[in-house]
Amino acid sequence: GEDVEQSLFLSVREGDSSVINCTYTDSSSTYLYWYKQEPGAGLQLLTYIFSNMDMKQDQRLTVLLNKKDKHLSLRIADTQTGDSAIYFCAESRPLGRGSTLGRLYFGRGTQLTVWP
Amino acid sequence: DVKVTQSSRYLVKRTGEKVFLECVQDMDHENMFWYRQDPGLGLRLIYFSYDVKMKEKGDIPEGYSVSREKKERFSLILESASTNQTSMYLCASSIRQGNTEAFFGQGTRLTVV
Repeated sequence: GEDVEQSLFLSVREGDSSVINCTYTDSSSTYLYWYKQEPGAGLQLLTYIFSNMDMKQDQRLTVLLNKKDKHLSLRIADTQTGDSAIYFCAESRPLGRGSTLGRLYFGRGTQLTVWP
Repeated sequence: DVKVTQSSRYLVKRTGEKVFLECVQDMDHENMFWYRQDPGLGLRLIYFSYDVKMKEKGDIPEGYSVSREKKERFSLILESASTNQTSMYLCASSIRQGNTEAFFGQGTRLTVV
């Protein structure tokens, strides 16, 4: 299909790991992104991964990319109450074949709730 | 740091009014975007622009228009506001090619009554 898919809700206990999953659609996507949105705010880039990478780690964040299955995941280690937010997966797709211009396609967002 | 600034955080307008939402970025980005965000629907692209005086329709352009007279400024126009345009509006900018990560403004919550 055309949509970037992610589950809508995830609840975890403080201190546990959170894993947010996403499936994207276009094998020619060059960059894949994770954004975080706190209540009443705009989106903030958390991390991104280039399509020739399998994994990227940045402090408590680990991104895994499975290009064969078009599957992207974000793992947050030692999840804190401050991590409660909506997390968006996004893929960058070219506008058309051979185009150097692109735009982002977003999933619907996963609401992460962290319980103390 | 990149800064994308939207002119209002909250706006209340009446049905039928012409509404202007303004967005300014300070990083000389070529690309600018307007999204609307509704619960359960995520972000939907309304219009975008790759250069001054250039515009492209996104996924839901009906009822909207845009203006980009200067590189740093991208305006979203609701010609005749309707209640179904009550939403959170998000502006974003990015470089044209390569890692086109988008930088977002803080959002404008528009209520049409």
